Amino acid sequence: AQSVAQPEDQVNVAEGNPLTVKCTYSVSGNPYLFWYVQYPNRGLQFLLKYITGDNLVKGSYGFEAEFNKSQTSFHLKKPSALVSDSALYFCARRGGGNKLTFGTGTQLKVEL
Amino acid sequence: NAGVTQTPKFQVLKTGQSMTLQCAQDMNHNSMYWYRQDPGMGLRLIYYSASEGTTDKGEVPNGYNVSRLNKREFSLRLESAAPSQTSVYFCASRPWGDGYEQYFGPGTRLTVT
Repeated sequence: AQSVAQPEDQVNVAEGNPLTVKCTYSVSGNPYLFWYVQYPNRGLQFLLKYITGDNLVKGSYGFEAEFNKSQTSFHLKKPSALVSDSALYFCARRGGGNKLTFGTGTQLKVEL
Repeated sequence: NAGVTQTPKFQVLKTGQSMTLQCAQDMNHNSMYWYRQDPGMGLRLIYYSASEGTTDKGEVPNGYNVSRLNKREFSLRLESAAPSQTSVYFCASRPWGDGYEQYFGPGTRLTVT
């Protein structure tokens, strides 16, 4: 079954430092990969996606992600973290019927 | 555009009671989805509707039923609620076609006692 894994439950980073939230996916066909963010008591908001083409994908709020086929990874990155980036981040993969399979989520905490 | 709306926002049920969660979207999307979110488990798909008139089971359909009332509305019904169904429920929609992302509603927090 197609799946994604987020190996870190929580990531802590100081404001102004670069941040990385990790995601790996199971090898099966050409993956369509997505990142979503969830702020407390809110729904999920779309950040960015990889469908095909350039391996470096740029998204909302200064986030980007790099698709790495050899390492089956799609890590989310931002050059300079903000306290307001603190939220729950989900990686997801498209499956049959355009269904999404989500990772378990990574809580990002950005501290002053 | 309101996007994806869900009602109610909060609900408390007793074991065995029934209820329907409502979802509507005003983006003319073909496909709609119901997920549940539980701590440490991410989001899991309950049911989805690829287009008006069709529904299919997702990963965790037991104890739920759905109705695609029309293109805009997709409801989720709990016939006999159980404490294991305590969760946050999200509805989502997406346009027809390849590569599109899903758009999520604000969620319904359900507690079954």
